[in-house]
Amino acid sequence: DSGVTQTPKHLITATGQRVTLRCSPRSGDLSVYWYQQSLDQGLQFLIQYYNGEERAKGNILERFSAQQFPDLHSELNLSSLELGDSALYFCASSVAPSGTELFFGEGSRLTVL
Amino acid sequence: AQSVTQLGSHVSVSEGALVLLRCNYSSSVPPYLFWYVQYPNQGLQLLLKYTSAATLVKGINGFEAEFKKSETSFHLTKPSAHMSDAAEYFCAVYNFGNEKLTFGTGTRLTIIP
Repeated sequence: DSGVTQTPKHLITATGQRVTLRCSPRSGDLSVYWYQQSLDQGLQFLIQYYNGEERAKGNILERFSAQQFPDLHSELNLSSLELGDSALYFCASSVAPSGTELFFGEGSRLTVL
Repeated sequence: AQSVTQLGSHVSVSEGALVLLRCNYSSSVPPYLFWYVQYPNQGLQLLLKYTSAATLVKGINGFEAEFKKSETSFHLTKPSAHMSDAAEYFCAVYNFGNEKLTFGTGTRLTIIP
């Protein structure tokens, strides 16, 4: 158990819909990272927050957004969903803003029909 | 920017045989290198890391990796495979530019009884 909690574990929705994925980092970790894992693109970094502030952006679509709340949990919002958004979304956390060791949650599997 | 290449998306070995998973890196500066493992339906877990100390790094579950600058390699090995080693393995490099981990495409390890 990494200590990182993600909900929901599975989500099935339709094209055009909006979903929210939630992540609680390990106790004491201030950094939260979001990754997307798909068969064709592998593990792609989406975005990072550190202590409530956006720190870095990766390959995140404009239809996607995230935030980190004062209690340090984070939410990833995916809107106007397309079939290609079907993937496993991972949250990871680390203590430092430039973490070299990440602790991953078990992921949220999104299926868009 | 730093990058890693994993050779072989699928590797099969017999139980008890040597496990060798290949990773080559590209970096203009001394790299920080990592191996992560993803068991079925789980998130990624750190196996071991190299951060410019000893070139032979020992990790969890009997795995080890050797940093070879002359070959720009960081291959993962285990002397004797167990059925429980069946998983997907990711090599990663820390990008000092954007302070992020960049993952390889992964190698799925299958253990043959």
